[in-house]
Amino acid sequence: DGGITQSPKYLFRKEGQNVTLSCEQNLNHDAMYWYRQDPGQGLRLIYYSQIVNDFQKGDIAEGYSVSREKKESFPLTVTSAQKNPTAFYLCASSIMDHYEQYFGPGTRLTVT
Amino acid sequence: KQEVTQIPAALSVPEGENLVLNCSFTDSAIYNLQWFRQDPGKGLTSLLLIQSSQREQTSGRLNASLDKSSGRSTLYIAASQPGDSATYLCAVRMDSSYKLIFGSGTRLLVRP
Repeated sequence: DGGITQSPKYLFRKEGQNVTLSCEQNLNHDAMYWYRQDPGQGLRLIYYSQIVNDFQKGDIAEGYSVSREKKESFPLTVTSAQKNPTAFYLCASSIMDHYEQYFGPGTRLTVT
Repeated sequence: KQEVTQIPAALSVPEGENLVLNCSFTDSAIYNLQWFRQDPGKGLTSLLLIQSSQREQTSGRLNASLDKSSGRSTLYIAASQPGDSATYLCAVRMDSSYKLIFGSGTRLLVRP
């Protein structure tokens, strides 16, 4: 089955620890995205990648980092510099950057 | 700066009713508009994508319209069912940008 997978579904971390969220797609899409969703709000873009080994900051990149070493994978690291990391994180991909985006099931991160 | 608004924030209707969800945007220079469905704790499912040159798109009981000049889109759901209960999000992509700008969503409850 083609799709986007995110793991884990739930993640708990202590304040001050870095944590990496996984995103994998087997849709052969070039573009991949990371969004953050807070309760009752829409999604906000964290990082975006059009192609392997290239990525750009979105609206709220501070405290986050990404890598794009393979077309299929776009992991997101939430660093200790992110002041309010508790949120629902969604990964998406599209054939190219202006095409329809498809979303993964999300990872809920709780930092205490 | 583009802003996307969805009103109402929540809507409760009896089963079988036809309903309309609203999405408005402040800058009409959009490339396309996408409607999504989100179930609690889940990722987003794309429902309809309307290109800026189109006036509407249909899929089953769903019909989305777009009026760029007035900065509005509507999602019409015919003969609503309890299974339609979810949060519906609209998002726009600008001509010169890769990112989606989301509204905060309308939470729909269809009562049996």
